[in-house]
Amino acid sequence: DTAVSQTPKYLVTQMGNDKSIKCEQNLGHDTMYWYKQDSKKFLKIMFSYNNKELIINETVPNRFSPKSPDKAHLNLHINSLELGDSAVYFCASSQVGGHDREQYFGPGTRLTVT
Amino acid sequence: AQTVTQSQPEMSVQEAETVTLSCTYDTSESDYYLFWYKQPPSRQMILVIRQEAYKQQNATENRFSVNFQKAAKSFSLKISDSQLGDAAMYFCAFVNRDDKIIFGKGTRLHILP
Repeated sequence: DTAVSQTPKYLVTQMGNDKSIKCEQNLGHDTMYWYKQDSKKFLKIMFSYNNKELIINETVPNRFSPKSPDKAHLNLHINSLELGDSAVYFCASSQVGGHDREQYFGPGTRLTVT
Repeated sequence: AQTVTQSQPEMSVQEAETVTLSCTYDTSESDYYLFWYKQPPSRQMILVIRQEAYKQQNATENRFSVNFQKAAKSFSLKISDSQLGDAAMYFCAFVNRDDKIIFGKGTRLHILP
């Protein structure tokens, strides 16, 4: 069973379009995250949600909007896509206050904006 | 603000040899966690090893071990008996009490046959 899953794994779209990436975790964790990994492999946190409540919102354009319908799901919607949005986006989950603090990552979504 | 620094963008090691990847971090907190993650070409992020800051004993997982120097804020990863499958990007990460994770910029490790 996949612990953290993301769909789609690859997404190619044109500038100006709106797209969504879905994430689901079956680990029973209460916190989920979105990360962006740029072409230089630098990983940066974008958002985190704890029990459907936004906890971390780093400096991200407001074209990016996370939505958490329940604590097992955290989707990322991106409006008016730009070339600079091309990257790999990772979803992750963890249990806040858990003894191991490990974050479990999804397989990533490679977004290419043309 | 917390920072994580990996000073070696790339490293190479001969198969079966030992290699050490360095990581330093900066924080004013005393309670935190440190991790090494591996990202092979498949791009999946895989946890290699974790260390709780309150534990003095260095963590070990099979061929992977860390040298955790809390006072020096250093957290290096040693890979013994390197194997071809160890070739990957390695990220050092710091997690604070609020569960915010900060990654270093990564070290690309090449294994030479």
